[in-house]
Amino acid sequence: ETGVTQSPTHLIKTRGQQVTLRCSSQSGHNTVSWYQQALGQGPQFIFQYYREEENGRGNFPPRFSGLQFPNYSSELNVNALELDDSALYLCASSHSTGLQETQYFGPGTRLLVL
Amino acid sequence: DAKTTQPTSMDCAEGRAANLPCNHSTISGNEYVYWYRQIHSQGPQYIIHGLKNNETNEMASLIITEDRKSSTLILPHATLRDTAVYYCISPGGFGTGTLLAVQP
Repeated sequence: ETGVTQSPTHLIKTRGQQVTLRCSSQSGHNTVSWYQQALGQGPQFIFQYYREEENGRGNFPPRFSGLQFPNYSSELNVNALELDDSALYLCASSHSTGLQETQYFGPGTRLLVL
Repeated sequence: DAKTTQPTSMDCAEGRAANLPCNHSTISGNEYVYWYRQIHSQGPQYIIHGLKNNETNEMASLIITEDRKSSTLILPHATLRDTAVYYCISPGGFGTGTLLAVQP
């Protein structure tokens, strides 16, 4: 158990809809990173939030957006869902910025887009 | 960003040491090598990280070559619960990892 929680655990949406995924970081951590993991692949970095600001982004389109709140919890929003967005979405919290910091992952939200 | 390469899969007998290699020939001098593992359908779990020196913790040992172009994660006494995908990562992010299957 890392102390990082995510909700919901599973979600089914249809193409074109919008989805919001939530993450609560581990106590004392001020940085949250989001990853997308397609079946059989490693996690792919979406973006990172530090003190409520985006602090780095991977190769994902603008319809993937996020928020971080004063308590360091975070949301991932995906608009205009596509079939290829079906994946496990992981959030990870860390003490500070940078992908070289030890990250503690939540259990993930499994999204299915039909 | 540095990239890593790992074998796709490996087998290990229960109770024996599991040695998982990783090539990170493009890593920079100040970049750490991190290892995580992911048990089926769970979030990745941190194992260990290192820069230049060999490291050991309660989960594993990490051996880094002197030129830092490769490293080996060692699970000294593998159990069935160690069956997972093991990722060696650098600032370039996650690759596809090594599926370690521990056999009874």
